Amino acid sequence: EVQLVESGGGLVQPGGSLRLSCAASGFTFTSYSMNWVRQAPGKGLEWVSYISSSSSTIYYADSVKGRFTISRDNAKNSLYLQMNSLRAEDTAVYYCARDQKGYYHFDIWGQGTMVTVSS
Amino acid sequence: QSALTQPASVSGSPGQSITISCTGTSSDVGGYNYVSWYQQHPGKAPKLMIYDVSNRPSGVSNRFSGSKSGNTASLTISGLQAEDEADYYCSSYTSTSTRVFGGGTKLTVL
Repeated sequence: EVQLVESGGGLVQPGGSLRLSCAASGFTFTSYSMNWVRQAPGKGLEWVSYISSSSSTIYYADSVKGRFTISRDNAKNSLYLQMNSLRAEDTAVYYCARDQKGYYHFDIWGQGTMVTVSS
Repeated sequence: QSALTQPASVSGSPGQSITISCTGTSSDVGGYNYVSWYQQHPGKAPKLMIYDVSNRPSGVSNRFSGSKSGNTASLTISGLQAEDEADYYCSSYTSTSTRVFGGGTKLTVL
């Protein structure tokens, strides 16, 4: 079964850091580009970041640029999001999402992990 | 990276058809045929319903269809069913190689 499972969410103080992980299974992880998408409580979806299959190409939303770092370990079938200088407005469910190969849409989503930034 | 514009809510009765619009710019919706639509039920992860403007993934009902004219894409759901009640989001590839979502539309089946 094709599956993405996020972990690492939790409560963190403003200005703090957190590292999210996404474990992939059921498909050849090394062949797919990956993304992080977030959703603030009661709000819509917001694309956060993209990483190509080889990590050679990376993009960020302006709202997280300079604070968040996306990475992947193809040997471990894992995607990561290092989040620094966290703000209250970063509070959201964070989803990892796979790009369908050769396309620009998200065909597989994880169940999400909640990040709460609060003092 | 401004969000695409969707109506906040739409409604329809069972069996009817509804259309949800998604308006962007020539730098996203209007510039590429890379518009996708996602369905999200409360507490669940989004599900891909339409990709590349009008293509349906395997397993998605043919009651769902997509189209585009200029800077506006549309999702049409025909033969509304109770289980279609959900939030719907459009998304587009952009000229800066990023992605952008719409604000979301809550569909109520009356």
